[in-house]
Amino acid sequence: ERVMTQSPVALSVSPGERATLSCRASQSVSTNLAWYQQKPGQVPRLLIYGASTRATGIPARFSGSGSGTDFTLTISSLQSEDFAIYYCQQYNNWPRTFGQGTKVEIK
Amino acid sequence: EVQLVQSGAEVKKPGESLKISCQGSGYNFATYWIGWVRQMPGKGLEWMGVIYPDDSDTRYSPSFQGQVTISVDKSINTAYLQWSSLKASDAAIYYCVRHPQGGFSYGDYWGQGTLITVSS
Repeated sequence: ERVMTQSPVALSVSPGERATLSCRASQSVSTNLAWYQQKPGQVPRLLIYGASTRATGIPARFSGSGSGTDFTLTISSLQSEDFAIYYCQQYNNWPRTFGQGTKVEIK
Repeated sequence: EVQLVQSGAEVKKPGESLKISCQGSGYNFATYWIGWVRQMPGKGLEWMGVIYPDDSDTRYSPSFQGQVTISVDKSINTAYLQWSSLKASDAAIYYCVRHPQGGFSYGDYWGQGTLITVSS
C-alpha cells in the first residue's frame, strides 16, 4: 500500500499570502496524484488531478506540481474561502490512498 | 448536471444491518466506476472500494474487504454500501464518488454524504 504523508499538519497563513502544501508518497505514484479541498461540514471537492491539471471551475491561484514521490499544492494568494483542509490522494496503485490532510488556517 | 444523491442519515445499534444508497443522474451511470469513501468523526478520508455498474465488477481496499459489501442496480442508477452487523467503529460519514471515465482513479463528483451513527 502506498502511504501518503502530508506536511505540515497545519499551516497558518494571512489572506493574500502564498501557501505551499506538500505530499510525499512512500513509493513512486508517477503523476497519478489528486488534491481535494474540504471545508468544515462540507463535501470534499476535487482541485487537481494528474498532479498538475486543475479540475473544472477551480481558480488559477491553485496549482499542483511534482511527480514520482514528491508533490506540491500551491495557493498563490489565499482568499478567505480557501481556509480548509487539503488532502492528496494517489491513484497509481490499489488501494487508493489519501494523505492525512493539511489544515490551512487564518493567521 | 452530474449528481450523486445519497440516502439519509441513519441511527443504528451495534449488530444491526444497514444498506445505504447512492443514486447517480446526469450521465451514463453504467459506464463510470463508483467508489465509496469513509470519513470517521474528525478524521481524514479512506478509500473503501469501487464498483463498475455495467458488469458489477467490484474491488475492495484490503482494510474493508469482508467488512462491507458494495453492490449496484444499474436499472435504477443506484449503488449501495451495506453492513451485515454494524460495530460502533463503523460510525462515520460515507461518501460515494464518481470516477472519471476510463478507470477508478480520483473522484470528480461526490455525493453529499450519509452520516451513520452506531450506538447502543
